[in-house]
Amino acid sequence: EDKVVQSPLSLVVHEGDTVTLNCSYEVTNFRSLLWYKQEKKAPTFLFMLTSSGIEKKSGRLSSILDKKELFSILNITATQTGDSAIYLCAYVDNYGQNFVFGPGTRLSVLP
Amino acid sequence: DADVTQTPRNRITKTGKRIMLECSQTKGHDRMYWYRQDPGLGLRLIYYSFDVKDINKGEISDGYSVSRQAQAKFSLSLESAIPNQTALYFCATSDHRTSGRANEQFFGPGTRLTVL
Repeated sequence: EDKVVQSPLSLVVHEGDTVTLNCSYEVTNFRSLLWYKQEKKAPTFLFMLTSSGIEKKSGRLSSILDKKELFSILNITATQTGDSAIYLCAYVDNYGQNFVFGPGTRLSVLP
Repeated sequence: DADVTQTPRNRITKTGKRIMLECSQTKGHDRMYWYRQDPGLGLRLIYYSFDVKDINKGEISDGYSVSRQAQAKFSLSLESAIPNQTALYFCATSDHRTSGRANEQFFGPGTRLTVL
């Protein structure tokens, strides 16, 4: 059965810390892996990763995919309280039909 | 601004009642999805639709039905609500006709449903 595992499930850090969130997957017909940030209600899109080894960056956030080892990481440097959220990863299958989400990592950034 | 909207935003109902959650989008996307979110379980796919004539069951479709009334509208029904359907429900859309954007989903604000 296809699944997505995220770790840690919960993380508390202080402002300025750097965090690494992990996402591993066991899927067939993999196409892409996506990262989302969910603050209060709806998730918002962060990154889409399709190729191994190519880092995607957006400000203090970056992400990379390893298709051989079947995992992705999301890095956040110099964390701020506004980074507090649930971070979700999801995979999309090769037909673009199936989106499967992990349980999310709840990040809390303390002042 | 093009958007994904859901109504109602909050609903409390009783066991056995029929409930309909509605989703509308002005993005012009062809694909629409319904998810539920429960603490610790992430998002789980209930149903998805690739166009008006195409409806597919997701991971947890039992107890739910959907209707794609138009490209812009996708409604989710609970024929006889039960307490374990208490959850946060999200509608999402994606556009598979625009190259490079096919895997990006856009989510509505969510509907919090409580079944007593």
